[in-house]
Amino acid sequence: SQKIEQNSEALNIQEGKTATLTCNYTNYSPAYLQWYRQDPGRGPVFLLLIRENEKEKRKERLKVTFDTTLKQSLFHITASQPADSATYLCALEGGGGNKLTFGTGTQLKVEL
Amino acid sequence: EPEVTQTPSHQVTQMGQEVILRCVPISNHLYFYWYRQILGQKVEFLVSFYNNEISEKSEIFDDQFSVERPDGSNFTLKIRSTKLEDSAMYFCASSPGTGGSPGANVLTFGAGSRLTVL
Repeated sequence: SQKIEQNSEALNIQEGKTATLTCNYTNYSPAYLQWYRQDPGRGPVFLLLIRENEKEKRKERLKVTFDTTLKQSLFHITASQPADSATYLCALEGGGGNKLTFGTGTQLKVEL
Repeated sequence: EPEVTQTPSHQVTQMGQEVILRCVPISNHLYFYWYRQILGQKVEFLVSFYNNEISEKSEIFDDQFSVERPDGSNFTLKIRSTKLEDSAMYFCASSPGTGGSPGANVLTFGAGSRLTVL
């Protein structure tokens, strides 16, 4: 069956450090992968999309990598700030249609 | 910036009652979605809607649920005979859905409607 796995344990890091979050998937052959941010009680907000033929994508302090051989994406936030504290979700399309399936998300806490 | 708006933000209902959650998607988007998030759990797909009909639905989306686009702007989710386990945050989303580019499938979510079934 199809699975999208993210580390369910919260990631606590110090301000200024780089946060790295992992998304692994099985039984998908996605043409692209997306990352979203979700704050408590709010809807997910789109951050970045990376295509299968792109190894890396950057946007300001964010960087995403996509390895279709390992079936893994890494999401990095450099120079992290307390305002980056949130849950980060990866999402894949698959199975036809425009449906996106989300991973369980990883909660990031950036401490002063 | 265009946004997806949802009403009500919070609804409390008695078990067995019917609930309608309303959404106004982004005006030039073609695909509409409902997702559900039970407290502390993942965001789960319920249904997608395109060209005035359901394009895909999950196992969760059984006969208890229905969706409708009653006019040119609103998109509704009806839950009949609510159960305790229907208590969750319900998110509406829309996407451009035009062409074959990946950006066509980037979702914009609303703020959600929290449903509490007593």
